[in-house]
Amino acid sequence: AQTVTQSQPEMSVQEAETVTLSCTYDTSESNYYLFWYKQPPSRQMILVIRQEAYKQQNATENRFSVNFQKAAKSFSLKISDSQLGDTAMYFCAFMRDDMRFGAGTRLTVKP
Amino acid sequence: NAGVTQTPKFRILKIGQSMTLQCTQDMNHNYMYWYRQDPGMGLKLIYYSVGAGITDKGEVPNGYNVSRSTTEDFPLRLELAAPSQTSVYFCASSQPGQYNEQFFGPGTRLTVL
Repeated sequence: AQTVTQSQPEMSVQEAETVTLSCTYDTSESNYYLFWYKQPPSRQMILVIRQEAYKQQNATENRFSVNFQKAAKSFSLKISDSQLGDTAMYFCAFMRDDMRFGAGTRLTVKP
Repeated sequence: NAGVTQTPKFRILKIGQSMTLQCTQDMNHNYMYWYRQDPGMGLKLIYYSVGAGITDKGEVPNGYNVSRSTTEDFPLRLELAAPSQTSVYFCASSQPGQYNEQFFGPGTRLTVL
């Protein structure tokens, strides 16, 4: 079974600075999808960014970008120009036949 | 579009009671899912459905049942509530081919005492 590991339970960053959240996964498949979801205190799950494994180019969405290293099975999320509204739990997820989530990283953006 | 809606938002059950968590989506998605999120953890898949009349078990199905009689609705049934089922429950939907993006409901916080 696929597993997703987020090794940083908590992180903090100063407003306007850059932070990188780590994610590794384990799979023997070659085609799959990877996602980062944000969960603010409201509990709503919000898609931040997605990556198809067959695409070599790293996905980017405004201030959010990923570093996808397929051989290393690594999928980190970089948040640039951090904002107070970025404070949330961030979940890495792997999808092949079903979706597997990591345990999450609690990110706090400090003013 | 309301997206994915869930009712109730909160519920407290006594051990052994039963209840149904409701989930409705108005995006005409074929795929629907039920997850549970325990404190400090990520989401785990309970059941999923790829279309009306078709359901399948996920990672943690024990103690739950589902049905899918329409495209829009995917209720989750707890027959004999146990304290281990205290969790936040999320329903989600997706349409195959659309990058497999799942759209989530707001969640139901369930406490079993």
